[in-house]
Amino acid sequence: AQSVAQPEDQVNVAEGNPLTVKCTYSVSGNPYLFWYVQYPNRGLQFLLKYITGDNLVKGSYGFEAEFNKSQTSFHLKKPSALVSDSALYFCAVFGGFKTIFGAGTRLFVKA
Amino acid sequence: EAGVAQSPRYKIIEKRQSVAFWCNPISGHATLYWYQQILGQGPKLLIQFQNNGVVDDSQLPKDRFSAERLKGVDSTLKIQPAKLEDSAVYLCASSSEGDLGGYTFGSGTRLTVV
Repeated sequence: AQSVAQPEDQVNVAEGNPLTVKCTYSVSGNPYLFWYVQYPNRGLQFLLKYITGDNLVKGSYGFEAEFNKSQTSFHLKKPSALVSDSALYFCAVFGGFKTIFGAGTRLFVKA
Repeated sequence: EAGVAQSPRYKIIEKRQSVAFWCNPISGHATLYWYQQILGQGPKLLIQFQNNGVVDDSQLPKDRFSAERLKGVDSTLKIQPAKLEDSAVYLCASSSEGDLGGYTFGSGTRLTVV
């Protein structure tokens, strides 16, 4: 069975500070990992994905994520947070059968 | 490139009534998904189509939910009869590379069953 966990319901960060949104996963084979962002009353928007290759993946809006196989993690990061980054972030994993999503982490960036 | 279109945006119905949602994916995207997102939870896959064939409907409550994609383009999802616990946002997504390409989601249909 495959699973994905986002251990933090909410992350608070000040504008200009680095941010990290955590994600851990469990799959039996090679994982394919994704991050999506959801703004209020909008559908999810694709940010980035890891399929293979370099463990550091760069995506939209200055976001990046680091794949760590030994820790089975795929944390989302940004060097300098913006107020406009405030949204709901979802990690997703495809382990060969279907894509499943985490419960989401709400990011608040205060000015 | 036009996005994934969904309608209606909002729907309020009474329990035991029926409702239908429509989705038009991005042109050329062979894979289409319907997800259910209950408030406070991540999206849950209901059904996946590859062209007009069903790839996965293992989590679709088939006694009340049905979906079709007759010509391999747009799709409809129906609930009959609706229950209170069906209140959720129903998201349609499409992809040109299946599960490895990242999805493009529509804005969703927010269903409230009263």
